[in-house]
Amino acid sequence: DIQMTQSPSSLSASVGDRVTITCQASQDISNYLNWYQQKPGKAPKLLIYDASNLETGVPSRFSGSGSGTDFTFTISSLQPEDIATYYCQQYDNLPRYTFGQGTKLEIK
Amino acid sequence: EVQLVESGGGLVKPGGSLRLSCAASGFTFSNAWMSWVRQAPGKGLEWVGRIKSKTDGGTTDYAAPVKGRFTISRDDSKNTLYLQMNSLKTEDTAVYYCTTHDCTNGVCHPFFPLWGQGTLVTVSS
Repeated sequence: DIQMTQSPSSLSASVGDRVTITCQASQDISNYLNWYQQKPGKAPKLLIYDASNLETGVPSRFSGSGSGTDFTFTISSLQPEDIATYYCQQYDNLPRYTFGQGTKLEIK
Repeated sequence: EVQLVESGGGLVKPGGSLRLSCAASGFTFSNAWMSWVRQAPGKGLEWVGRIKSKTDGGTTDYAAPVKGRFTISRDDSKNTLYLQMNSLKTEDTAVYYCTTHDCTNGVCHPFFPLWGQGTLVTVSS
């Protein structure tokens, strides 16, 4: 089984800060890595697909990078509305779709 | 409007059964691959299973914790996805979301651009 390690589990930052979350796969997953935002009581929202592609309508302050086993999600300038939990999600051809443990982002 | 609306959640005793529905609108449901994803209270997201479009074989795949107990089906004439849950356990307590896969130009991808609002299933005696 491919294991996903997402870090940190929680993060406190100030408005305007650059925020980075990482996701590491236990084996090569090419670019099959996606990022979601979930606000309390709401369904998840797709932000980034295939590691680095911005979903339509998502602000450009969100970005993703990486391939193989190491991936990074970045918010270039944190806004108050970005307070949420963020999840990475990988795919393998078993098929299995595995989510990371989540990163809870709070305003400092 | 493009949307997914789940229904059918509720309280059920361990060992019991429940069927969830997901009504789709605003897109060509028959061409869509669909998945169910769940979230236990205060926990992260867990993929439950997927059904392909009939054009792609209509086959299903399941996560290990639910394989043999849960069944995903679809009725394309009603634009509706189903999740039949049998032999329910307390650890199946969660909000259940239906999702679409991104399907573009006849190719479906392993990410989920559209989600329903979720329906809560509580398994308790």
